Amino acid sequence: DVVMTQTPVSLSVSLGGQVSISCRSSQSLVHNNGNTYLSWYLQKPGQSPQLLIYKVSNRFSGISDRFSGSGSGTDFTLKISRVEPDDLGVYYCGQGTQYPYTFGAGTKLELK
Amino acid sequence: EVQLVESGGGLVQPGRSLKLSCAASGFTFSDYNMAWVRQAPTKGLEWVASISYGGSNTHYGDSVKGRFTISRDNAKSTLYLQMDSLRSEDTATYYCARELLRRFAYWGQGTLVTVSS
Repeated sequence: DVVMTQTPVSLSVSLGGQVSISCRSSQSLVHNNGNTYLSWYLQKPGQSPQLLIYKVSNRFSGISDRFSGSGSGTDFTLKISRVEPDDLGVYYCGQGTQYPYTFGAGTKLELK
Repeated sequence: EVQLVESGGGLVQPGRSLKLSCAASGFTFSDYNMAWVRQAPTKGLEWVASISYGGSNTHYGDSVKGRFTISRDNAKSTLYLQMDSLRSEDTATYYCARELLRRFAYWGQGTLVTVSS
């Protein structure tokens, strides 16, 4: 199985600041078809997860351009700029390149 | 608007069975692969199972393989998860999710399953 390792476990940020979350996979996430199925999700307190980024760097419908994804192979990063109160919660990376699909353990974003 | 509404959760004894349902609306259900993802209390996300749009292909996580069965009724726009031989470690909120090209684009609100004697 592909193990997804997220760092850090938690982050404190000031409103308006910028943060980065790292996600590393134990195997390359490049699929045989050339696509890299790495996604980012945000779970706000008391809510279901929501999709932010798919295929490494593509923002899902309605997602602010303050969210950006990058990376390749086994190393990926989510950057959030100009942090707003509504950005707080737990961020998960997830891979869909091979079964079983797996997620990172999550990174909790809190206010400083 | 895409809506996914799970039901069927509750308290069940170890070793017993439970069947979850997910009613979909706001999109053509039969066009999309669907999945179940769970989250144990205070824990992270764990993919449980996926089913192809027609229902012919299914995949399961190792922890539920042989005990859980995912199915769908496209005429009723409903996804199911039959859970047998339940264990305490299956206690979690179960989310129904619409897949799109190997990502979970839409999620339901979840239904809580508690396995305890």
